[in-house]
Amino acid sequence: TQLLEQSPQFLSIQEGENLTVYCNSSSVFSSLQWYRQEPGEGPVLLVTVVTGGEVKKLKRLTFQFGDARKDSSLHITAAQTGDTGLYLCAGAEGTYKYIFGTGTRLKVLA
Amino acid sequence: GAGVSQTPSNKVTEKGKYVELRCDPISGHTALYWYRQSLGQGPEFLIYFQGTGAADDSGLPNDRFFAVRPEGSVSTLKIQRTERGDSAVYLCASSSLAGAQETQYFGPGTRLLVL
Repeated sequence: TQLLEQSPQFLSIQEGENLTVYCNSSSVFSSLQWYRQEPGEGPVLLVTVVTGGEVKKLKRLTFQFGDARKDSSLHITAAQTGDTGLYLCAGAEGTYKYIFGTGTRLKVLA
Repeated sequence: GAGVSQTPSNKVTEKGKYVELRCDPISGHTALYWYRQSLGQGPEFLIYFQGTGAADDSGLPNDRFFAVRPEGSVSTLKIQRTERGDSAVYLCASSSLAGAQETQYFGPGTRLLVL
């Protein structure tokens, strides 16, 4: 089973700051997804990236898939308190199965 | 429309007891997944159903765990002889098609505590 390490594990920043979360593996993934999970709820899909080097933007969030499809990053510009949550990356293993990363817990302070 | 629902939302049981956790997927979704999420961790794959059949149960930790989906809709995760280490949030997700790029819609989870 492939493993996905996320860093940092915890991040506490002030509103308006920028941040980047990393998702790394030694294995190649055919696609990778990013989710956000809030307390008491299930993860919600933010984006799916498929092609090596692909960049996708979702408002203030920018997602990048590494050229070798082994890693990914999530950059948030001008963080807001509503961005608080657990961010999870998940890499596709095979045709239907996703392996989730260890998670990054983000807290944005007002 | 209705999302994925899971019942109960919380379950407290004693070591050695049997528990059933239910998942109602989004209507029409053929793919259904069960995950287990321990505190501070990402979800861990348990089992995947395509229709009524378990296409991949490689994530079930041992033979105390099994799951069914007899009519291709509702699924039940069953845990026999529960142990304290089974305490976790059990998440269910469904998607309209099988495929690594499909969107999985997660339920809110069942929080299981084994005393």
